[in-house]
Amino acid sequence: ETGVTQSPTHLIKTRGQQVTLRCSSQSGHNTVSWYQQALGQGPQFIFQYYREEENGRGNFPPRFSGLQFPNYSSELNVNALELDDSALYLCASSLGAGGVETQYFGPGTRLLVL
Amino acid sequence: GESVGLHLPTLSVQEGDNSIINCAYSNSASDYFIWYKQESGKGPQFIIDIRSNMDKRQGQRVTVLLNKTVKHLSLQIAATQPGDSAVYFCAERASNYQLIWGAGTKLIIKP
Repeated sequence: ETGVTQSPTHLIKTRGQQVTLRCSSQSGHNTVSWYQQALGQGPQFIFQYYREEENGRGNFPPRFSGLQFPNYSSELNVNALELDDSALYLCASSLGAGGVETQYFGPGTRLLVL
Repeated sequence: GESVGLHLPTLSVQEGDNSIINCAYSNSASDYFIWYKQESGKGPQFIIDIRSNMDKRQGQRVTVLLNKTVKHLSLQIAATQPGDSAVYFCAERASNYQLIWGAGTKLIIKP
């Protein structure tokens, strides 16, 4: 186990609703990255937070937003849910800005949008 | 745009044999690559990485080969075991904070 936890494990929402996913980073890590993984595909980078600031963003619309808290845990918020938002949402924690070389992933939250 | 892709979506290997999983990348400027293993219901797990100034790197039962001339990566798993069953992803570093991932290869171990 990596020490990265995510909640909830599964979630069902309807189109147009809003959702908040949560991630607790591994002890000592100050960076959290979020990924979207559609079924049968590789993860796609959404954004990264380092010391409570967004440190980089992938090709996702503004309705995908995030927060990082002083304890370095993080939230991913998605507004106006669409059917295509159905996916596994992964968070990964690491130490230092960037940190793709030392990312530890959580088990993910499976989101189904009906 | 940048992309990382895999040649085979599914690979079946006899237990005890060696497995070779291939990956092509398109950005010749990429300087760092990672292989991940993802078991069902779990997040990706780091296996091995390689920098662009290397051609080969070995870990425990795994070897990664990098051919920059043809922009190709491979992951070799020696003496494949049932616990190796998973989806394997290659990923390249697109920036300081972003990885670009391939679609994955599912490795099936036959008893």
